[in-house]
Amino acid sequence: GQNIDQPTEMTATEGAIVQINCTYQTSGFNGLFWYQQHAGEAPTFLSYNVLDGLEEKGRFSSFLSRSKGYSYLLLKELQMKDSASYLCAVMDSNYQLIWGAGTKLIIKP
Amino acid sequence: IAGITQAPTSQILAAGRRMTLRCTQDMRHNAMYWYRQDLGLGLRLIHYSNTAGTTGKGEVPDGYSVSRANTDDFPLTLASAVPSQTSVYFCASSRGQASTDTQYFGPGTRLTVL
Repeated sequence: GQNIDQPTEMTATEGAIVQINCTYQTSGFNGLFWYQQHAGEAPTFLSYNVLDGLEEKGRFSSFLSRSKGYSYLLLKELQMKDSASYLCAVMDSNYQLIWGAGTKLIIKP
Repeated sequence: IAGITQAPTSQILAAGRRMTLRCTQDMRHNAMYWYRQDLGLGLRLIHYSNTAGTTGKGEVPDGYSVSRANTDDFPLTLASAVPSQTSVYFCASSRGQASTDTQYFGPGTRLTVL
């Protein structure tokens, strides 16, 4: 079966750095996506990785290792507005997204 | 730019009733999707459409039907609602179904079936 694993919840301090991990087992791989979802709102796109390595976009970076079936999202200089759920999703061989349950990130002052 | 709109925002429905959730996009995207999101579970694909006039089944299609008569609209119908269909429903669209085509989500419909 297909499976995406990520921690259920994480807590971090404003101004700090946090790393949210995602491991996956899917039938085929056509890219890995990270989305942000504030409570009661729609998911919004953050990043896309298809090749191994680090993609940096402002305060957010995403890393991929295809051989390990592993990705992480790195958030720097945390702000209170970063409190949200972060969803990891993998596009499988049928070009459908398989989603993890999401990691709820709580930022404390 | 409106993006994707969904209606209604929320709905309480008696079991056995028929319900259609509406989704409209103005981005001229070819592909559209319906997901449900339940606590503790990832988004699960119900149905999708790669282009107007075609539809396909996702991971959890039973009890749901869709149509894609034109590019902009992709309604989801529950023929006879059951309590297990209580969920938040998100419609999404993308330019195509390639891996580089980002999916954009509507604001969601919160449905409660009693």
